Amino acid sequence: EAGVAQSPRYKIIEKRQSVAFWCNPISGHATLYWYQQILGQGPKLLIQFQNNGVVDDSQLPKDRFSAERLKGVDSTLKIQPAKLEDSAVYLCASSLIRGASYEQYFGPGTRLTVT
Amino acid sequence: TQLLEQSPQFLSIQEGENLTVYCNSSSVFSSLQWYRQEPGEGPVLLVTVVTGGEVKKLKRLTFQFGDARKDSSLHITAAQPGDTGLYLCAGADGNNRLAFGKGNQVVVIP
Repeated sequence: EAGVAQSPRYKIIEKRQSVAFWCNPISGHATLYWYQQILGQGPKLLIQFQNNGVVDDSQLPKDRFSAERLKGVDSTLKIQPAKLEDSAVYLCASSLIRGASYEQYFGPGTRLTVT
Repeated sequence: TQLLEQSPQFLSIQEGENLTVYCNSSSVFSSLQWYRQEPGEGPVLLVTVVTGGEVKKLKRLTFQFGDARKDSSLHITAAQPGDTGLYLCAGADGNNRLAFGKGNQVVVIP
């Protein structure tokens, strides 16, 4: 069974530029999560989707971050404009159903560096 | 926000030694999970504990959930270099959202 796929793996941009990350969850997983992991920290949930609807985006900085999950499968996370403090690894995870969210499967992440 | 504190933050031991790391909180969790994360990779789920006082074993790894479901420990017996990694604990709240600690960085020296 294929795991969670993410691209790109690495991205370097200048502050005030825009960037987008893509995630393809495990086939059949209805719930998809985006996390931000700053160096030396644990992952912090940014947004949670159930199929193509948003379940929780309370920690998403909505003035610059946006995310969508069209057709309830793939998802994109966008930052516009980026700030220096956005440098982090962005992790995507998926799980079968919301009630089993403790069994989350993570992708390898996208390492973003903002200069 | 439910805060999970992991200690020690960094631990370096010789191959064959035993180690224990801790995950503590003032909040009660419906379940608690342990993940291991290696450089350049996403976290990989090791175990989920649900019942207060529960003990689970995964080969040389022993996980314990506190009676009050606020804390947990991970014990590794006869550590091997392959055990090197960042061990993350994550607590699930009533809405099944996960809150992660900062992790325990474990280095096992051959």
